[in-house]
Amino acid sequence: EPEVTQTPSHQVTQMGQEVILRCVPISNHLYFYWYRQILGQKVEFLVSFYNNEISEKSEIFDDQFSVERPDGSNFTLKIRSTKLEDSAMYFCASTEGQFLAPQHFGDGTRLSIL
Amino acid sequence: AQSVTQLGSHVSVSEGALVLLRCNYSSSVPPYLFWYVQYPNQGLQLLLKYTTGATLVKGINGFEAEFKKSETSFHLTKPSAHMSDAAEYFCAVSDRNAGNMLTFGGGTRLMVKP
Repeated sequence: EPEVTQTPSHQVTQMGQEVILRCVPISNHLYFYWYRQILGQKVEFLVSFYNNEISEKSEIFDDQFSVERPDGSNFTLKIRSTKLEDSAMYFCASTEGQFLAPQHFGDGTRLSIL
Repeated sequence: AQSVTQLGSHVSVSEGALVLLRCNYSSSVPPYLFWYVQYPNQGLQLLLKYTTGATLVKGINGFEAEFKKSETSFHLTKPSAHMSDAAEYFCAVSDRNAGNMLTFGGGTRLMVKP
């Protein structure tokens, strides 16, 4: 069964550094999402992406965050200047349709900011 | 705005006993509801979903959930727990007015005792 893949599985970065989290969605999917889960807290929506532009974003997704689909397969989340509070598990998800089709999640990238 | 409340952050059952994980939601539009399971160090795997039609939905691994509009609930059940069911379970509601973003509950960690 096709799956969403995320790399790296664990990223350790110094505070203030830029980090790029990578995702390869399922090949025929058109809608892409990033979520994050701070340790011990809820999974929170960050951003949705369709047709090469952001569809929706949450309050968390401020100017430090950006997303990109640089080619036909990858979907990236960039954090420009990381803060300690960015430490979390980041999940990528994709779906073929917008509403009835469920979102398929990757295994996540654990981001640790030192 | 949509919200999801999962009663009980931890639920412990004996192997072979009934599993009941509670989920209540708030939504301004008819909801699409989901249950996801997360095993340690893995991503979120879809267990089942409710969109329209039959209110009792069956999912993988013997789980089912019933949508009760009058109670704004979508509780997850399994008649007989297995050791392999030990995991974290998340209830989520989809916001069709906001790019199909998922709003998650806080999660319930299910422990299964031998």
